[in-house]
Amino acid sequence: GAVVSQHPSWVICKSGTSVKIECRSLDFQATTMFWYRQFPKQSLMLMATSNEGSKATYEQGVEKDKFLINHASLTLSTLTVTSAHPEDSSFYICSARVDRGTYGYTFGSGTRLTVV
Amino acid sequence: DAKTTQPTSMDCAEGRAANLPCNHSTISGNEYVYWYRQIHSQGPQYIIHGLKNNETNEMASLIITEDRKSSTLILPHATLRDTAVYYCIVRVDNNAGNMLTFGGGTRLMVKP
Repeated sequence: GAVVSQHPSWVICKSGTSVKIECRSLDFQATTMFWYRQFPKQSLMLMATSNEGSKATYEQGVEKDKFLINHASLTLSTLTVTSAHPEDSSFYICSARVDRGTYGYTFGSGTRLTVV
Repeated sequence: DAKTTQPTSMDCAEGRAANLPCNHSTISGNEYVYWYRQIHSQGPQYIIHGLKNNETNEMASLIITEDRKSSTLILPHATLRDTAVYYCIVRVDNNAGNMLTFGGGTRLMVKP
């Protein structure tokens, strides 16, 4: 149980275009979801925290107008990279709290974004 | 949340036990120790967590020292598929929606 489905698993896009990444909780309701970014050979860095029905909270240095987060329902959060540039190429991972049991966290399988 | 210190990398022979240490000397009384691992190009996977007592599940064992300033994750019989980056994280286990903060982790290489 407690599965988070993330799509797409990889995407290649042209500079200047926008890309949407979806994160769905399949068998539980996720009030809070987290979006991370990971560059090669580095650790995961938190980008933002999204709460269902309210605005996302962004970490320092993350442009909220560039990384649009929508958490419109208890099972879906989306991250849209707007006007993508090659430096946005990275591995994006979502995570959700599992509000049952021992407050664990479950992660999506990640999205490899390549901007050309 | 308390900071953790882990070795950057470790090697382990296939079939042997892998012992991954983690120092968390500033851990506070209400912080749990969590372990996650990340296999290349995948999302992190939960392994185990504990507060004071040693814990064991189907994946691993977690040994926490009596003063709680360090812990060891034990994979009893490492396989090639256990090659991954292992993250030790300490945090308060509550319902406040706090995120997980990842450090550098330990890159475990299981060799034939």
